[in-house]
Amino acid sequence: EPEVTQTPSHQVTQMGQEVILRCVPISNHLYFYWYRQILGQKVEFLVSFYNNEISEKSEIFDDQFSVERPDGSNFTLKIRSTKLEDSAMYFCASSEGGALETQYFGPGTRLLVL
Amino acid sequence: QKEVEQNSGPLSVPEGAIASLNCTYSDRGSQSFFWYRQYSGKSPELIMFIYSNGDKEDGRFTAQLNKASQYVSLLIRDSQPSDSATYLCAVNRGSNYQLIWGAGTKLIIKP
Repeated sequence: EPEVTQTPSHQVTQMGQEVILRCVPISNHLYFYWYRQILGQKVEFLVSFYNNEISEKSEIFDDQFSVERPDGSNFTLKIRSTKLEDSAMYFCASSEGGALETQYFGPGTRLLVL
Repeated sequence: QKEVEQNSGPLSVPEGAIASLNCTYSDRGSQSFFWYRQYSGKSPELIMFIYSNGDKEDGRFTAQLNKASQYVSLLIRDSQPSDSATYLCAVNRGSNYQLIWGAGTKLIIKP
């Protein structure tokens, strides 16, 4: 069964460093998403991406965040200058269609900023 | 403020019994409703989705939606210890892409 994959599974970085989280969405899906979940808190939407551009973003997704689809399979989230409060699980998701469609989640990347 | 509310639990249910999980949402424009299961340290896993008022059954799971009351529920029949997890309710308005999430209900199935 097709699934969303994410690398790395864990990432430890120093405050102020740049990190890139990688995702391979399900191959026939057209919509891609990033969510995060701080330990013990709700899942929070960051950004959605369709047709090589951002279709929606939340207040969390400020200028330190960016997304990119560098090739036909990968979808990346870059955090330019990490802060302590960026420590969280980051989930990539994809869906076949857009709004209303089921979003399927990858296993997540646990980011720890020291 | 668009919100999704769930009782955090834990909800403790004996093995073999019916577990009932509830979720309310504030945005009347919400169009689609999802139940995800999340084991500790893992990603959300889709259990069911529902779009229309009424009941939708899939195996041991039944989702119930009442848009007038802004209420969605998940029933798990013949609960198994492996059903022990946090159940997340997520809602989509339909005019945008993001899912709005509840904080989840922790379910414990006692053998």
